[in-house]
Amino acid sequence: DGGITQSPKYLFRKEGQNVTLSCEQNLNHDAMYWYRQDPGQGLRLIYYSQIVNDFQKGDIAEGYSVSREKKESFPLTVTSAQKNPTAFYLCASKQQGASTDTQYFGPGTRLTVL
Amino acid sequence: GESVGLHLPTLSVQEGDNSIINCAYSNSASDYFIWYKQESGKGPQFIIDIRSNMDKRQGQRVTVLLNKTVKHLSLQIAATQPGDSAVYFCAEKRAENTGNQFYFGTGTSLTVIP
Repeated sequence: DGGITQSPKYLFRKEGQNVTLSCEQNLNHDAMYWYRQDPGQGLRLIYYSQIVNDFQKGDIAEGYSVSREKKESFPLTVTSAQKNPTAFYLCASKQQGASTDTQYFGPGTRLTVL
Repeated sequence: GESVGLHLPTLSVQEGDNSIINCAYSNSASDYFIWYKQESGKGPQFIIDIRSNMDKRQGQRVTVLLNKTVKHLSLQIAATQPGDSAVYFCAEKRAENTGNQFYFGTGTSLTVIP
């Protein structure tokens, strides 16, 4: 069963804590992306990675960190420096160099700061 | 029914009617567009895409129209069904964007009345 998985589905964090959101894909896609979704706003890019061991900041990278040690995994850490972390987080992936530029999304993780 | 995503974020249609959802994009250099469907609490689902060298593309019950002159994109859903109720948003990719970054609309909420 191929696709993108994100875990956990719901996550609660106390202020001052770091939390890590998991994103795994078995589509053999090279590129992976993290977006944040807030009510009434379009998706905003946090970080993206086009190849293993390389990643780039998106439009709202402050307070977040990522790693890309394996092709299939792109975890996102929400640090205590992120002042307003409550949001719906979406991971996406895409095959580089393919005839399509389509990004496919995972089911999302809803993070709530208590 | 017809809507413009940013100015009329909700659209209600009778089951069996056709739906038209509109999106105004911002950059004349955008060369690739996607329509996504997002149900509550879930990740976005790819519906249909179109490249800037095309004006129209059809899928199963859906058609995307692209008017580059006025930078306008529309999604037409034929014979709308209750399962079509969701938020629909467009995404544009700019030609110079080597990171395959997309810019996303805020979405239109479609409600199908049985």
